[in-house]
Amino acid sequence: DAKTTQPPSMDCAEGRAANLPCNHSTISGNEYVYWYRQIHSQGPQYIIHGLKNNETNEMASLIITEDRKSSTLILPHATLRDTAVYYCIVWSNAGNNRKLIWGLGTSLAVNP
Amino acid sequence: DARVTQTPRHKVTEMGQEVTMRCQPILGHNTVFWYRQTMMQGLELLAYFRNRAPLDDSGMPKDRFSAEMPDATLATLKIQPSEPRDSAVYFCASGLYEQYFGPGTRLTVT
Repeated sequence: DAKTTQPPSMDCAEGRAANLPCNHSTISGNEYVYWYRQIHSQGPQYIIHGLKNNETNEMASLIITEDRKSSTLILPHATLRDTAVYYCIVWSNAGNNRKLIWGLGTSLAVNP
Repeated sequence: DARVTQTPRHKVTEMGQEVTMRCQPILGHNTVFWYRQTMMQGLELLAYFRNRAPLDDSGMPKDRFSAEMPDATLATLKIQPSEPRDSAVYFCASGLYEQYFGPGTRLTVT
């Protein structure tokens, strides 16, 4: 079972910020928070990840609460091309574990 | 721009036939994954390899599915014999920590 909880769907107006929440209340100290997205008919795409600190890259920002029990992915200026399913995953790279547990994600619709 | 490539992109076959899907991981990535995605089950991990050795294939039906990495540039997933319930999109991914996915093979078994 996925260790994260996400809303099944969200809407956002084009040009506005999209804030996608994720709850991971059982996250362990060595587990990272990863975000991927899947645009229709394509393979999932890595977006960003973080452990404790907030992170930003050219695609998005990741805000992790101080207790690490939840996080928010922010797309600062959403475009129609950001319409996709967004997956929040918690994962530890300890040992040989490379197995991600994928939940159902949040289906984000960016509207004109 | 390094990418994971998969062939074929689409495959339609009849029940009972053998299906082989191929994947070329990104050069230098020592971990390769095979996933299956359906509307009902979502994204499921079938197997993954590290340095060409299988690390976990617990998600794969052993009686009909097999996965191999003949060399560092090629991963294969075979289904023999194929069944209608195998119809799905099969993704290959590679990566050290972040996973980079290929475009998928859409398999239809009639």
